[in-house]
Amino acid sequence: GEDVEQSLFLSVREGDSSVINCTYTDSSSTYLYWYKQEPGAGLQLLTYIFSNMDMKQDQRLTVLLNKKDKHLSLRIADTQTGDSAIYFCAEILGSSASKIIFGSGTRLSIRP
Amino acid sequence: GAGVSQTPSNKVTEKGKYVELRCDPISGHTALYWYRQSLGQGPEFLIYFQGTGAADDSGLPNDRFFAVRPEGSVSTLKIQRTERGDSAVYLCASSLAGGKETQYFGPGTRLLVL
Repeated sequence: GEDVEQSLFLSVREGDSSVINCTYTDSSSTYLYWYKQEPGAGLQLLTYIFSNMDMKQDQRLTVLLNKKDKHLSLRIADTQTGDSAIYFCAEILGSSASKIIFGSGTRLSIRP
Repeated sequence: GAGVSQTPSNKVTEKGKYVELRCDPISGHTALYWYRQSLGQGPEFLIYFQGTGAADDSGLPNDRFFAVRPEGSVSTLKIQRTERGDSAVYLCASSLAGGKETQYFGPGTRLLVL
């Protein structure tokens, strides 16, 4: 079946690293995404990783993919107050190649 | 260039009424998607258009929901006989050619059914 799971909340101190974890069930996933949603704003694509990759780094963002365990993580280095948002893990399936399956989102809060 | 726009940004209606939600995709994008996001949840897929035709409508919850894209650009999501459970944020996204192309999301329409 199609299911993406992630923890609901994460609180980190400003300047620390944030790690948001996600598990998915469908082994036919081809692309895996991280989206960011700020209050009142639309979904913003942060980064994505193709299923044949293990890691992708983009400035402060590092995505790790463990395909064997179907585990995806997003690490945000030097977390800032502007990183406060809900982060959605998502997958696009090989079979549909169109619709995106989203997790329920992880709310990241930053404490001073 | 403009992003995906959606109107209205907010819609309040009464149970049983009919509503239309509009999406203007990014110019030149052939693929258009509708998603629904309930409070505290991630977006759920509703329907995907490639050009004027619905390529995948498997996410529409029932026959009260219908969407059109008559000229292959603007799309309208139509909900008949609205129910309180239809209250959600309705998100539209577009991509250049569908498939695994990046989907760009609009700000959404917040629908509240009283």
